Amino acid sequence: EVQLVESGGGLVQPGGSLRLSCAASGFTFSNYDMHWVRQATGKGLEWVSAIGTAGDTYYPGSVRGRFTISRENAKNSLYLQMNSLRAGDTAVYYCARSMTGRAFDIWGQGTMVTVSS
Amino acid sequence: EIVLTQSPATLSLSPGERATLSCRASQSVSSHLAWYQQKPGQAPRLLIYDASNRATGISARFSGSGSGTDFALTISSLEPEDSAVYYCQQRSNWPSITFGQGTRLEIK
Repeated sequence: EVQLVESGGGLVQPGGSLRLSCAASGFTFSNYDMHWVRQATGKGLEWVSAIGTAGDTYYPGSVRGRFTISRENAKNSLYLQMNSLRAGDTAVYYCARSMTGRAFDIWGQGTMVTVSS
Repeated sequence: EIVLTQSPATLSLSPGERATLSCRASQSVSSHLAWYQQKPGQAPRLLIYDASNRATGISARFSGSGSGTDFALTISSLEPEDSAVYYCQQRSNWPSITFGQGTRLEIK
């Protein structure tokens, strides 16, 4: 079964750091671009980062310089290192896969990140 | 950044009726548009990619149309399980990806 499972969410203070993980199974992980998408409670979807099959990385302005996406193909794993966290980063974080230039066809179940003192 | 505007914000229809959801882009995205369905407490699910192609396992009741700046998701003969929020997404100006704000579909 093709599956993505996120972990690592939790409560963190403003200015703190957190590292999310996404474990992939059931497909050839190295062949796919991978993404993080977040959703604040009751709000819409926001693309947070992407990493290509060659390790190229992309971010929107809202997280660039604070978040770092990485992958470890040997472990079928995707990561998101989040630094200098703000209250506005509070959300459920999903990982998702896509073929290069294509839509997000598989999503994980999400992991909750709460930034609060 | 390309802005996607979805309308209406909420749509309330009865089982068996036809739903048409709209997504308008602030500039042309060619056919690089996808639609997702999200039910409460669940992750989004891909319905339509490249504007009009159904994803694997998606019912033929779901269809997508449009190109350039105007797109539509049509759900024929609504069923109670179609109650969800629907999002459009563009990848035209990769690496910038944006989503619409969503349309909530309620089945009476």
